[in-house]
Amino acid sequence: DARVTQTPRHKVTEMGQEVTMRCQPILGHNTVFWYRQTMMQGLELLAYFRNRAPLDDSGMPKDRFSAEMPDATLATLKIQPSEPRDSAVYFCASGLTPDGGWTDTQYFGPGTRLTVL
Amino acid sequence: DAKTTQPPSMDCAEGRAANLPCNHSTISGNEYVYWYRQIHSQGPQYIIHGLKNNETNEMASLIITEDRKSSTLILPHATLRDTAVYYCIVRSGTSYGKLTFGQGTILTVHP
Repeated sequence: DARVTQTPRHKVTEMGQEVTMRCQPILGHNTVFWYRQTMMQGLELLAYFRNRAPLDDSGMPKDRFSAEMPDATLATLKIQPSEPRDSAVYFCASGLTPDGGWTDTQYFGPGTRLTVL
Repeated sequence: DAKTTQPPSMDCAEGRAANLPCNHSTISGNEYVYWYRQIHSQGPQYIIHGLKNNETNEMASLIITEDRKSSTLILPHATLRDTAVYYCIVRSGTSYGKLTFGQGTILTVHP
């Protein structure tokens, strides 16, 4: 059963430290989404990649967050420096998008629970 | 994308059908209705989606009213494992697939 994997599953860090979260999309999927979930804000879209190119990162705080896809099997979300307000669960989702079309179904990973002290 | 309105919570007895309503009165012609659910501590899971016609798959049925202003997700025989937050999302047919999640409905299935 193909699944999206995320590492680490849990991360506790101190304010000011760099945090890197990794996502392995389902093999063959060409689209990756990053979401953040908090009790207050719910699920928010941070970034969207298609064929490894960032197409929408309007939901991401630009000053401290960055997202990349070094290759088709790895997506990373980095926070530097981290702040307590970044504490949340970060989800990665992948999907298959045909040329000129849209992503029909998003498959979510288990998430990374980040706590910034 | 059109805004959706869902009841904050619902209860259902195990084995009975769970009918989850969603209002999307401002939906436009090219917007799809999607349903996802999130079981506690897990990532959201796709359930079903539709444009105009009713849809059915192995998980659920989606009934969309003729005017498309509301829809109902039906879980025909709810089990305890169906306890989750259910999200109704309206997505533009011209967007890349972006989903905007609301607060959803917390469905609790009782023994």
